[in-house]
Amino acid sequence: GEDVEQSLFLSVREGDSSVINCTYTDSSSTYLYWYKQEPGAGLQLLTYIFSNMDMKQDQRLTVLLNKKDKHLSLRIADTQTGDSAIYFCAERLLGYSSASKIIFGSGTRLSIRP
Amino acid sequence: DTAVSQTPKYLVTQMGNDKSIKCEQNLGHDTMYWYKQDSKKFLKIMFSYNNKELIINETVPNRFSPKSPDKAHLNLHINSLELGDSAVYFCASSQDFRGDEQYFGPGTRLTVT
Repeated sequence: GEDVEQSLFLSVREGDSSVINCTYTDSSSTYLYWYKQEPGAGLQLLTYIFSNMDMKQDQRLTVLLNKKDKHLSLRIADTQTGDSAIYFCAERLLGYSSASKIIFGSGTRLSIRP
Repeated sequence: DTAVSQTPKYLVTQMGNDKSIKCEQNLGHDTMYWYKQDSKKFLKIMFSYNNKELIINETVPNRFSPKSPDKAHLNLHINSLELGDSAVYFCASSQDFRGDEQYFGPGTRLTVT
């Protein structure tokens, strides 16, 4: 089936690490993504990981993939006020004729407290 | 230069009207998409076009008709608008139909009254 689940809210203190979790159901997913949406803006691709990888690090961002449990996480180190946004987990599914579509989770709203 | 642009940014209209939203990308991508984001922020794909051909058509009412005059443009026409059509509509593009990296436009907030 096509389902991506995330918790709706996360609150962290400025300077702490944020960990946003996601689970997906389709084992044929090839790419898994994290998108960021700031208020009133479109979605910005933050990072993605190929399904044969366990981890990907990009500056303050660390993505961990547990393919066996179908669990994806995004860790943001040293969380700043500018990180306040909604973070969407997404998986890419290959459809008929190899056309792919991206299935999004419901988004996790990250808020930063001083 | 804006990579993926949409017009208008806001659209307020009455039930029963017909409206169009336009999307343009200057990335040289082959594939374009329309997504709908509802009030709970749930984002769902509606259509995808690759080189002007429809390749993904999710379960969308046939009041919604996408049109791609060339691979840089994908417009969305909506007939007989209903209250439930109120949402933010996002256009996106990717290099090819595999959609490894999709780049999103700023969105069009449609309000049907």
